[in-house]
Amino acid sequence: GDSVTQMEGPVTLSEEAFLTINCTYTATGYPSLFWYVQYPGEGLQLLLKATKADDKGSNKGFEATYRKETTSFHLEKGSVQVSDSAVYFCALSDSGSGNTGKLIFGQGTTLQVKP
Amino acid sequence: DAGVIQSPRHEVTEMGQEVTLRCKPISGHNSLFWYRQTMMRGLELLIYFNNNVPIDDSGMPEDRFSAKMPNASFSTLKIQPSEPRDSAVYFCASSSTGGGSPLHFGNGTRLTVT
Repeated sequence: GDSVTQMEGPVTLSEEAFLTINCTYTATGYPSLFWYVQYPGEGLQLLLKATKADDKGSNKGFEATYRKETTSFHLEKGSVQVSDSAVYFCALSDSGSGNTGKLIFGQGTTLQVKP
Repeated sequence: DAGVIQSPRHEVTEMGQEVTLRCKPISGHNSLFWYRQTMMRGLELLIYFNNNVPIDDSGMPEDRFSAKMPNASFSTLKIQPSEPRDSAVYFCASSSTGGGSPLHFGNGTRLTVT
């Protein structure tokens, strides 16, 4: 079945450092891809998405490009802030669930940004 | 839009008691999902509904867990009897159908069973 694999955390960076969180997927068909962010004590929030190959999703300085040839959707940010400290989840739309909106999530990667 | 609304935000109960978690999805969304999150197991999908009909409940851990969606604007997740290992944060999420539709999550219910 479809699956998502994220790099293990925690990832610890200094403020203004460059961020990459790797995400790869296996899927039949052509899924949509998503990054979600979870701040402490809150639910997951959509950060960005891409619906087809070569699309780039972007939001709040974060970017990710849908790479079909490498089945990847890596999250990047050029200069992280302390406020970016959170757990980041990569996800894809489940092609086996019809059109119900079900997503398959990776295990999450914790990012800690130190001042 | 008010977003997905869950209640209560926190629930503390004793082992053996019945627990009911509630969710109001975003108006117009026709899929609803219940997730459980723990440090050990991460984010787990318990059950999801489409147009108020349960589609997949294979993630429900035991018969002690049950979920209902009597109408498009309300769902419950019930645990009876509760056990300490049920302690977790339970999230409800909703979405429109369509391959590119994102999930919208509530802020969760933190359940502690003593």
